[in-house]
Amino acid sequence: AQSVTQPDIHITVSEGASLELRCNYSYGATPYLFWYVQSPGQGLQLLLKYFSGDTLVQGIKGFEAEFKRSQSSFNLRKPSVHWSDAAEYFCAVGAGDNDMRFGAGTRLTVKP
Amino acid sequence: DVKVTQSSRYLVKRTGEKVFLECVQDMDHENMFWYRQDPGLGLRLIYFSYDVKMKEKGDIPEGYSVSREKKERFSLILESASTNQTSMYLCASNRVKNEQYFGPGTRLTVT
Repeated sequence: AQSVTQPDIHITVSEGASLELRCNYSYGATPYLFWYVQSPGQGLQLLLKYFSGDTLVQGIKGFEAEFKRSQSSFNLRKPSVHWSDAAEYFCAVGAGDNDMRFGAGTRLTVKP
Repeated sequence: DVKVTQSSRYLVKRTGEKVFLECVQDMDHENMFWYRQDPGLGLRLIYFSYDVKMKEKGDIPEGYSVSREKKERFSLILESASTNQTSMYLCASNRVKNEQYFGPGTRLTVT
């Protein structure tokens, strides 16, 4: 069965600094991959997704992620973080028709 | 615009009560899902449904049941609520092999 690991439970960055959130997955074939963001008390919003093709995918709010098959990773990046990016971020891996696994999440704090 | 709605944002129930959580999607999606979210554990799948009246157990179905009588509506039922079911409950829907769309969540407290 596939699994998703987000090694960092909590990250703090200064406003304007760059950001990288890590995600590693375990799956036999090429899965489809997602990053979601959750603001406090809200549902999850899709930031970006990878199904196939170009391994660097662009998402909303200036985020991007790179699929690296050799490292089984799908890390999320943003060149300059804004205070409004403070939230919890979830990586997810999908397989088959219905199965999707979520990581435990990384909480992002942005310092002024 | 895509929309998944959940019947309540906050709910407080007593131990032993029967609890209904309702979810409605307006996107004509085949699949609907119920997750619970607890700190440090991410999202755990309770049940999903791939068609009307069809359902499959997820990772943590114990203590829960579901109902899908219409394509747009998926209900989660706690037959006899217990304090360990205090959690955030998230509903989602999707087309097969596509991203899931989430509702705003229901924070359930069982006292």
